[in-house]
Amino acid sequence: GENVEQHPSTLSVQEGDSAVIKCTYSDSASNYFPWYKQELGKGPQLIIDIRSNVGEKKDQRIAVTLNKTAKHFSLHITETQPEDSAVYFCAASHPTLSGYALNFGKGTSLLVTP
Amino acid sequence: GAVVSQHPSWVICKSGTSVKIECRSLDFQATTMFWYRQFPKQSLMLMATSNEGSKATYEQGVEKDKFLINHASLTLSTLTVTSAHPEDSSFYICSAKGAHSGNTIYFGEGSWLTVV
Repeated sequence: GENVEQHPSTLSVQEGDSAVIKCTYSDSASNYFPWYKQELGKGPQLIIDIRSNVGEKKDQRIAVTLNKTAKHFSLHITETQPEDSAVYFCAASHPTLSGYALNFGKGTSLLVTP
Repeated sequence: GAVVSQHPSWVICKSGTSVKIECRSLDFQATTMFWYRQFPKQSLMLMATSNEGSKATYEQGVEKDKFLINHASLTLSTLTVTSAHPEDSSFYICSAKGAHSGNTIYFGEGSWLTVV
């Protein structure tokens, strides 16, 4: 099955700095890579996603890059703000009998200090 | 984005009883719904996948007789934890996707279950 590795597990940056979270996946058939932000006690919120036919996608301060050859994808947050503090999960989705379920990384706890 | 609602957001039940959690897609038809379990400071673990009108597909190690999943309509799936034990205490999260969303999956707000 698919195995998603995520690094780092914790990340602390100063407000205004950039934050980068990296993930690798094992199944070359995976074709959809979303990123979720989870605040304490809440469900994950989709913040950005990328499909395998695209190498980069940007949405304001958030960008995701995908390297299919190396099977890794990264989340970039620029000009970080304290409200960006949360746990971020990467995921990979590939077709299965169950219908494109997501396999999650272990999460990165991001702390943005003022 | 699409809205997925879970109810209740938290529940406390006694050992041996059953508890039902509902997951609703409010503004789209969810052809597939997924149920996840999350322990504190850990990642989300997929429990099962359900397609409307079909039996759920359970992940390895998940007891289907204990975690009953029903996906009777395109907007509602339920998870029933039967004969609950304290070790079933966890954060249960549903997610859904529909034909309109491609692979995009939207999550509910989660339900905290505490079994005492």
